[in-house]
Amino acid sequence: GQNIDQPTEMTATEGAIVQINCTYQTSGFNGLFWYQQHAGEAPTFLSYNVLDGLEEKGRFSSFLSRSKGYSYLLLKELQMKDSASYLCAVRVITSGTYKYIFGTGTRLKVLA
Amino acid sequence: EAQVTQNPRYLITVTGKKLTVTCSQNMNHEYMSWYRQDPGLGLRQIYYSMNVEVTDKGDVPEGYKVSRKEKRNFPLILESPSPNQTSLYFCASSPQTGGPEAFFGQGTRLTVV
Repeated sequence: GQNIDQPTEMTATEGAIVQINCTYQTSGFNGLFWYQQHAGEAPTFLSYNVLDGLEEKGRFSSFLSRSKGYSYLLLKELQMKDSASYLCAVRVITSGTYKYIFGTGTRLKVLA
Repeated sequence: EAQVTQNPRYLITVTGKKLTVTCSQNMNHEYMSWYRQDPGLGLRQIYYSMNVEVTDKGDVPEGYKVSRKEKRNFPLILESPSPNQTSLYFCASSPQTGGPEAFFGQGTRLTVV
């Protein structure tokens, strides 16, 4: 079956660095995505990895290892506004069509 | 402004009364999909569409229907809603060519009593 695991909750301090891990077991892997979702709002795109390695976008970086089925999202210089849920998602190709599988999300609390 | 628009944002309805949630995007995206989000279960894909007149079941399609007669619109139809369909629903679109970014609508909070 297709499965994605990520921690349910994490807590960190303003100004610190936090790493949110995601492991997946899927077939037809075609990319891994990270989204941020504030409570009651729509998810917004953060990053995308299709090849192994690190992608950096400002304070956010995402890493992928396809052989290990593993990704992480790194958030630097944490701010209070980073308190949100972070969703890991995998796109898979089946019979020529794309499907998206989401993890249950990691709720991050940033403390002053 | 590039956006995905869902309507309504909030809906309370009774069991068995057919309803439609509309979704429209102005980015000429080929790929559109519907998700439901429930506590502890995350986002689950209900249906998706690779292009006009092409739709496929996601992981939780039971009790839902969709249509894709035009590229910009992808309505979600609940023919006979039941309380277990009470959820937060999101529509999303992205380019079919594998573009990474998906744009999500603002969500529809549906309560079936």
